[in-house]
Amino acid sequence: EAQVTQNPRYLITVTGKKLTVTCSQNMNHEYMSWYRQDPGLGLRQIYYSMNVEVTDKGDVPEGYKVSRKEKRNFPLILESPSPNQTSLYFCASSLRDGGNQPQHFGDGTRLSIL
Amino acid sequence: LAKTTQPISMDSYEGQEVNITCSHNNIATNDYITWYQQFPSQGPRFIIQGYKTKVTNEVASLFIPADRKSSTLSLPRVSLSDTAVYYCLVGDQVSGGYNKLIFGAGTRLAVHP
Repeated sequence: EAQVTQNPRYLITVTGKKLTVTCSQNMNHEYMSWYRQDPGLGLRQIYYSMNVEVTDKGDVPEGYKVSRKEKRNFPLILESPSPNQTSLYFCASSLRDGGNQPQHFGDGTRLSIL
Repeated sequence: LAKTTQPISMDSYEGQEVNITCSHNNIATNDYITWYQQFPSQGPRFIIQGYKTKVTNEVASLFIPADRKSSTLSLPRVSLSDTAVYYCLVGDQVSGGYNKLIFGAGTRLAVHP
């Protein structure tokens, strides 16, 4: 089954404790992206990747890091999480460019930073 | 940055046609307009995509005027299961590419019996 898998689905942690949210897709997609979703603000892009070793900042990249060492994986790293990063996070992938191709989304990761 | 504007919420009744308009005043020349549907506790799901004029699939139609500065998602004969948040997505012309993506804040559609 074609899918985008995120882990963990839920996480409660404390300020400053590094964490990684994994994202994996099995569709051989070139484009992958991370979004955060906050009430009243909709979906905002954090980082995106056009292909392996190619990443770039989205609309709200501050406080986040990403890497794309393999085509299928695109982890989101919070080196020193802060409470304002409490949010619902989605990973997505598409065949090529995310704007001109339908994106497939994961089920989301709800992060709470205390 | 490109900005998209959608109505915050809409109400409808079963069997009616619903039209949701998104304004995107700085859409990239080569970019498409894409609409997604999102149910609570789920990731967004692709509905329809278009570049200009009209596109229709089994669930919706998308109308795009010649200047492409707006688009209208049309849902024919909605049912209770169409209650969801609808997002339009375009690229960011200012960044020089279409890889940086800007979602609207979403339109919360409530369908009533």
